Amino acid sequence: GQQLNQSPQSMFIQEGEDVSMNCTSSSIFNTWLWYKQDPGEGPVLLIALYKAGELTSNGRLTAQFGITRKDSFLNISASIPSDVGIYFCAGLPLNDYKLSFGAGTTVTVRA
Amino acid sequence: GAVVSQHPSWVICKSGTSVKIECRSLDFQATTMFWYRQFPKQSLMLMATSNEGSKATYEQGVEKDKFLINHASLTLSTLTVTSAHPEDSSFYICSVKAGVKREQYFGPGTRLTVT
Repeated sequence: GQQLNQSPQSMFIQEGEDVSMNCTSSSIFNTWLWYKQDPGEGPVLLIALYKAGELTSNGRLTAQFGITRKDSFLNISASIPSDVGIYFCAGLPLNDYKLSFGAGTTVTVRA
Repeated sequence: GAVVSQHPSWVICKSGTSVKIECRSLDFQATTMFWYRQFPKQSLMLMATSNEGSKATYEQGVEKDKFLINHASLTLSTLTVTSAHPEDSSFYICSVKAGVKREQYFGPGTRLTVT
């Protein structure tokens, strides 16, 4: 799959702040997935999006499937120390099961 | 979601030897599994798609004779790194495609170090 454009590459935030990251693609996707990876672990699925315009929450996490189907964003509200990690976006086109990944956003929370 | 395990979680082997990594889908019958490798501070790179009962499909640039994949049952896929070299040292992660939902669930990964 293609490499998606994920930004920012890294961010340092204060505990309690909101975090926002996004992902763009040159082609259309039918599914957007957001994962979090802790050091030495496999990625854990946070949110899955299936429809353009869809807005889905999972606790303090909110993600949206862009209307153009070429982008998605993830918000983390009121960040806490355990939000530290690398967040990856991933997209699936129609009729394919190979994920395309972003390069990841490294989040570091300052207490 | 699907629960995926990998064994071993880490392995150190000598150059020239072979290493087998297991990926198990614990609560889901997986006809398709995927194998990735990840280098430090990089994203995941798909190596191959493992299909139950048939040959694996390898991504361009991945040597199928070096990275042998066997998917003999709906719950187990194995990756064997043959004649390992230090440049094969990496983090190997498998994933399971959870049916029609098109989501993928990842295992915890296996850290391979070749000395």
